[in-house]
Amino acid sequence: GAVVSQHPSWVICKSGTSVKIECRSLDFQATTMFWYRQFPKQSLMLMATSNEGSKATYEQGVEKDKFLINHASLTLSTLTVTSAHPEDSSFYICSASQIVTGELFFGEGSRLTVL
Amino acid sequence: GQNIDQPTEMTATEGAIVQINCTYQTSGFNGLFWYQQHAGEAPTFLSYNVLDGLEEKGRFSSFLSRSKGYSYLLLKELQMKDSASYLCAVTGAGSYQLTFGKGTKLSVIP
Repeated sequence: GAVVSQHPSWVICKSGTSVKIECRSLDFQATTMFWYRQFPKQSLMLMATSNEGSKATYEQGVEKDKFLINHASLTLSTLTVTSAHPEDSSFYICSASQIVTGELFFGEGSRLTVL
Repeated sequence: GQNIDQPTEMTATEGAIVQINCTYQTSGFNGLFWYQQHAGEAPTFLSYNVLDGLEEKGRFSSFLSRSKGYSYLLLKELQMKDSASYLCAVTGAGSYQLTFGKGTKLSVIP
């Protein structure tokens, strides 16, 4: 079946540094990918919709200059957390939709810890 | 906007049947998904309903009533490994953008 790969699975960084998370659709093309954030014991919250070849659409309350999204190809979207702070520590998950079936596939998730 | 409600927690006995309900109010509706999420892991797709009725997949079944804005996930022959959070999510008309409910944490006890 369709697979979405996310890397890295976990990352620990110092406050003030930037972290890049990659999301790849391995066997299908995804013109649209989604980035979610999940805090402990809470549900997934949509951060932004990543569109190939155009600017991402951010949800209300999500800072676009802090969470940079680049969807450079039909199989890759990246999320960069810039100048990370401890409050950015969270579980970040990407997903991609297979256009034909409408089924949504999730990456494995990336756990970010900012010290 | 979209509003999705599901119970916060449920407990059921191993071998039993449990039904997790989900109600939604949306400005547009395309389809409804159910996902299973174990702690610390990404969600796993369970079902996708677009039309009214019951979809059965092994031990799991999902029901949708579009007119009532209601769905349920039915889990039969519960196993301990079914202990997880179950997320109800909807997509708006003409969109694959998912809006998630807060999830129902299911605990299966011996």
